[in-house]
Parts: sequence; structure tokens; C-alpha cells
Amino acid sequence: DAGVTQSPTHLIKTRGQQVTLRCSPKSGHDTVSWYQQALGQGPQFIFQYYEEEERQRGNFPDRFSGHQFPNYSSELNVNALLLGDSALYLCASSQQGFGANVLTFGAGSRLTVL
Amino acid sequence: AQSVTQLGSHVSVSEGALVLLRCNYSSSVPPYLFWYVQYPNQGLQLLLKYTSAATLVKGINGFEAEFKKSETSFHLTKPSAHMSDAAEYFCAVDPSNDYKLSFGAGTTVTVRA
Repeated sequence: DAGVTQSPTHLIKTRGQQVTLRCSPKSGHDTVSWYQQALGQGPQFIFQYYEEEERQRGNFPDRFSGHQFPNYSSELNVNALLLGDSALYLCASSQQGFGANVLTFGAGSRLTVL
Repeated sequence: AQSVTQLGSHVSVSEGALVLLRCNYSSSVPPYLFWYVQYPNQGLQLLLKYTSAATLVKGINGFEAEFKKSETSFHLTKPSAHMSDAAEYFCAVDPSNDYKLSFGAGTTVTVRA
């Protein structure tokens, strides 16, 4: 089982650019959540996708958007990048209705904004 | 809003010594609580979870945590530290059982030989 896979692992962008990060959930999982982890901090919830719809959203601006595809994979898009968007972006998958809120995390995509 | 406070951003222990990581949460009802570990350049791995069953929860790698409602705490312990325990540890809460976790700021554990 490959678990949660994320791509790319590292990327560098400049202010004002746009970025797309990708996530493939663990086999059997149907829900994808995205978290932002700034350096030295705990992960912060961005949003969650289930059945190709955004189900929950954390306190992030509309510059952060996402998508879930029929195969349950997901993308995170960030527009008009700011220096403060530099962080490790973690994708986590889970299965609805399975109970106990267990999330499986990927290794993350590290974004640097210059 | 639910929050989690981890006391101590850095903990240094000797190999073989007790590891104690502190976590307090704010909640009016017992939430779901978790401890995750993050090794350098890796994602988060679940150590253990509390879901309103037994108050003493055993996890992987010899870790355990005790839920104390009266103290709103969920401290993580390991009787004997190993060099491989050096990592960052995060306490998290899911107050509504909807997979939306709030994490603490993390505690970095260093193990001295």
C-alpha cells in the first residue's frame, strides 16, 4: 500500500505566482484534507473534500482553493502567492463513516515563496 | 474554538529515561484526542488516539497517554527513551468527530546518549 502520495515534494515560486499541489489518497479512502504547516508550528486545517465537494474550510482566504476528482485524488491551488504562504503543505486522507477520525498523512509538499 | 496547548517546545532526555510530553485542551465536552509524531522531512504518523473509551491509551513504539477530564489533559509518556524517539510530537483535538483536527505547536524531543 503506497499510502498518501503528494507531488511535487519541493517547489519554489515567486510572489504573485500560482501553484498547484497534488495528492493521491490511501487506497480505500474517499476523503482528503489539506493542512498548512509553517516552520516551527503545528499544521493548520485548510479544507476537506468528500464526494468532490468542499465540506469544511478553515480560516484561509479564497486564494486557497481545491478540487477532488472522481478517483478521490485532490489538488490544492494557491493564487497570488505571498511570502507567508511558504510552508509544508500536508495532505491527509480518511474514510467517511469509519470512525475514530484517523487521518493518514502524506510526506508533504514544501513550498518556498521568494 | 477548540485549542490545544503543548507545554514546552523542546524536551531533552537521556537514553533510557522517562519521556513526558504535556498537552492540555480546551473543550466543554470530551473531544477526540490524538498524538502524532513527525520525523525530519516526513509527514505525520499517528501514535495513539483517545475516543472516549479507556482513559489510558496505548500506542505504537511503547508510548501511552492518559486522558484526564478534570485536568483537561492528555499527556504522552514513554518509560524508557530510545535514540529513535528523537522527533517532533504533536497533540491534536477533533471536537466534532469530523476529521477537522486542531494541532498544538509541537514539542521537539532530543535524546542524549
